[in-house]
Amino acid sequence: QSVLTQPPSVSAAPGQKVTISCSGTASNIGNSDVSWYQQLPGAAPKLLIYGNNKRPSGIPDRFSGSKSGTSATLGITGLQAGDEAVYSCGAWDNSLSAGVFGGGTKLTVL
Amino acid sequence: EVQVLESGGGLVQPGGSLRLSCAASGFTFSTSPMTWVRQAPGEGLQWVSSITGGGDATYYIESVKGRFTISRDNSKNTLFLQMTGLGAEDTAIYYCAKGGIGRPGGLDYWGQGTLVTVSS
Repeated sequence: QSVLTQPPSVSAAPGQKVTISCSGTASNIGNSDVSWYQQLPGAAPKLLIYGNNKRPSGIPDRFSGSKSGTSATLGITGLQAGDEAVYSCGAWDNSLSAGVFGGGTKLTVL
Repeated sequence: EVQVLESGGGLVQPGGSLRLSCAASGFTFSTSPMTWVRQAPGEGLQWVSSITGGGDATYYIESVKGRFTISRDNSKNTLFLQMTGLGAEDTAIYYCAKGGIGRPGGLDYWGQGTLVTVSS
């Protein structure tokens, strides 16, 4: 069982918007920068969002991140077939002195 | 161009040892924290260990403490993960990543991973 909680799956039609939640506690999300990772089938993870809401160079602005209290959210607009992937959130946990990930959310573009 | 490339994975018997390496290039290795993340078959990502740029501080997930040791050779731009007392639960793809989770930049570059299989 993962320290950070994500829904196992989400789905939406092409062109639509989807949000993926990541719930934690004061010891992790509440006191850490949150990052999001995209893992396409058969590929290594790729950084999508860092510092809660910042996009690395090359990541389209269809992807956005936010954080409030002990929860974080990844938003994806204008869904494309190529966005089908597993999305995972990550943070540092001060109580554990360890990194933690969510269990991952599989996005299906209908 | 930033690159990180893992090596050293393979099949090992329960109780055995393995040393993973991660060769880095394209950035100032000695000032960058580095991290190992693993992914068991069909499972999600699991943070394993991190080390500061100077190697003065290391962190481990509870389940590997006392068995795994992270280290780095800044003169050779290489990160290591020495694994001992391996069990079936350690079977996974091990990824090397630049950065530290929870740090401002996140884990911004990942290798393709190296597969570790623990089986008799």
